[in-house]
Amino acid sequence: LAKTTQPISMDSYEGQEVNITCSHNNIATNDYITWYQQFPSQGPRFIIQGYKTKVTNEVASLFIPADRKSSTLSLPRVSLSDTAVYYCLVGDTWGNKLVFGAGTILRVKS
Amino acid sequence: ETGVTQSPTHLIKTRGQQVTLRCSSQSGHNTVSWYQQALGQGPQFIFQYYREEENGRGNFPPRFSGLQFPNYSSELNVNALELDDSALYLCASSPGGQGNYEQYFGPGTRLTVT
Repeated sequence: LAKTTQPISMDSYEGQEVNITCSHNNIATNDYITWYQQFPSQGPRFIIQGYKTKVTNEVASLFIPADRKSSTLSLPRVSLSDTAVYYCLVGDTWGNKLVFGAGTILRVKS
Repeated sequence: ETGVTQSPTHLIKTRGQQVTLRCSSQSGHNTVSWYQQALGQGPQFIFQYYREEENGRGNFPPRFSGLQFPNYSSELNVNALELDDSALYLCASSPGGQGNYEQYFGPGTRLTVT
C-alpha cells in the first residue's frame, strides 16, 4: 500500500483558500486518492476522491498532477468550522482497506 | 435515511475482560468496516465484512474478531483486553463493490481499559 506524507499542521484565517498537499511517491497504477475530514470525537467524513487531473465537488477541489506522485486538497474560503484533521489516503480500486496516516491538523482563525 | 449508529457510546473495562461493540450500518449498505483510533493518531483498519463474510483484515491479533448479521449490522469482539486497547472504535458502512472509498462512519465507541 502506498505511503502518504502530509504536513502535521497548518494555520489559516477565515475567508482564505487553504491548500493541503499530500505526497505519495509509490502510488500504483490502480490506486485512487481520497481525502477525509475528522472533527474531534467524531468519525471521519468523506470529502473527495480522484484518480487524475482535477475533481471538484460542492466543498473542495482535488488537484492531481500527471505523475500522480502528489495531490492537493483545496478548500475555498475556509471558515472556523473547517478546523479539523484532514487525511489523505491512497489505495486500490476496491478501497477495502482504508489506510489512514497521521493527517494534517488545520486550524482556522478569525 | 438513518446513518451509522454505534453502541455503547462509552465503555470502561478491566484488563483481561472481553467486550462486544455494536454497529448498525446505513440503510442499503452491505459492507461494514471497523477501525481503531488511538488518541492523536489516524484510524487503523481492523477488518471488513461484506455480506456476512470477512473481506480483509488489518494487522490485529486474533483476539479481535467480528461478525456481520443478515441485516448487515455488525459486532466487534475483543477478548483478553489489554491497556493498549483503550481507543475510539469506529464502524463505517458502505454500499460495497468496486470503488469502496466513500465510507460512512459512525460516532464511535470510546473504550477505556484499566
